[in-house]
Formats: sequence, C-alpha cells, structure tokens
Amino acid sequence: AQTVTQSQPEMSVQEAETVTLSCTYDTSENNYYLFWYKQPPSRQMILVIRQEAYKQQNATENRFSVNFQKAAKSFSLKISDSQLGDTAMYFCALSLIQGAQKLVFGQGTRLTINP
Amino acid sequence: NAGVTQTPKFQVLKTGQSMTLQCAQDMNHNSMYWYRQDPGMGLRLIYYSASEGTTDKGEVPNGYNVSRLNKREFSLRLESAAPSQTSVYFCASSEEGSTRQYFGPGTRLTVT
Repeated sequence: AQTVTQSQPEMSVQEAETVTLSCTYDTSENNYYLFWYKQPPSRQMILVIRQEAYKQQNATENRFSVNFQKAAKSFSLKISDSQLGDTAMYFCALSLIQGAQKLVFGQGTRLTINP
Repeated sequence: NAGVTQTPKFQVLKTGQSMTLQCAQDMNHNSMYWYRQDPGMGLRLIYYSASEGTTDKGEVPNGYNVSRLNKREFSLRLESAAPSQTSVYFCASSEEGSTRQYFGPGTRLTVT
C-alpha cells in the first residue's frame, strides 16, 4: 500500500518570499507519479505540478518547482515570489503507473501568504 | 466545455435516508473516480471506474455503491446515510494513459 505524509499542517509567509512545503511518501513500487494539488477556499482541486519517478530532473512550472529525492522518498514543493493568490491548502499525492490512476493524498498543508 | 460537473452542491440528510450524488464529464474521459474529503485529511478514494462498464473499490468503499451509467456519468449512492458519511465528495475523471485528473467542484454532504 502507498502512503503520503505531510508533516506541516500550517505555514505562513510574507508576500514575495519563497516557501517550501514538505512531503514524504512510501511505496514498494519503482514506477509512480507524484503530484502537488492546490485547493483554494473555492474548494476546487487544481493540479500545480507533477513528477514522474523515473525522471531524475526536477519538474518546474513557472514559480513552482519540486525537489524530488527518490532514495529518501521525499517530494517537496518550492514556491518562489509567493503571491496572495497562492493562499490555499496544498496536497501532495501519489499514483502508480500501472492500472487506473488512483491517487493517494497526504493530509495537506494550509499555506497563508500575508501582504 | 463544462469539464466535470456534480449535483447537488450541498445536501443535508437525516440518518438512514438515501441519496445519489451525480457526476458527469464532457471530456470523453475513460476513467472516473469518487473521493471524499474529511476535515484535516486529504482526499480518499471511495470507488473508481477505469472504463465504461467497470467499477472497483477504492480505499473507503463501505456504505457506498456506484454506477457507471455510460461513458459520461458516474453516480455515487448512499443507501442508508450515517453521520460518519458527513464529508465533501469530489468526482474526478482522466483520459486513458494520462496521469492528470480533472476534479469537479465537490458536494458538501451533512448527515444529522
């Protein structure tokens, strides 16, 4: 079975600062995907970034980047030049490559960007 | 494209009542999913349908049934609602071979 753990229930930073959210996971499989989802107060789930485990290069999407450490089973999200609109719950998630893309989520980190 | 739609948006039930949550997608996706989100927890998979005509249990299937009515629609039924089923329910879909899931806006269900 797969598990995902986010050990930071809440974080708060000033606008324009850089913030890093932590995520660790456990799986016995070698091929899987990792994701970060954002959930603003509207409740909509929005995909922020994804990483294939077989790729060594860390994924980036504009101000969002990840630090993927496969051996340590760690997958952190870095948000650069944070903006007020980044305020949201952030969920780390994992799915295996084989079969249906069943997502396993962490507990979430509530991120607040202060003006 | 409406994407993934869910009805209703809010619902209050009494213990023992039944109801069906509806989900539809207009992206011609093969796979559809039902998740629940409880306070302080991430989403957990209830049931999924890898393709039209198939359904499988997820992590927390007890107390629920599903129907993949056609390729567009995937419904979730609570036969006898319990307070423990108070949650926000999300439907999602994905196309075959893709890792990206598209989520609906969610249904907030309260069972008293």
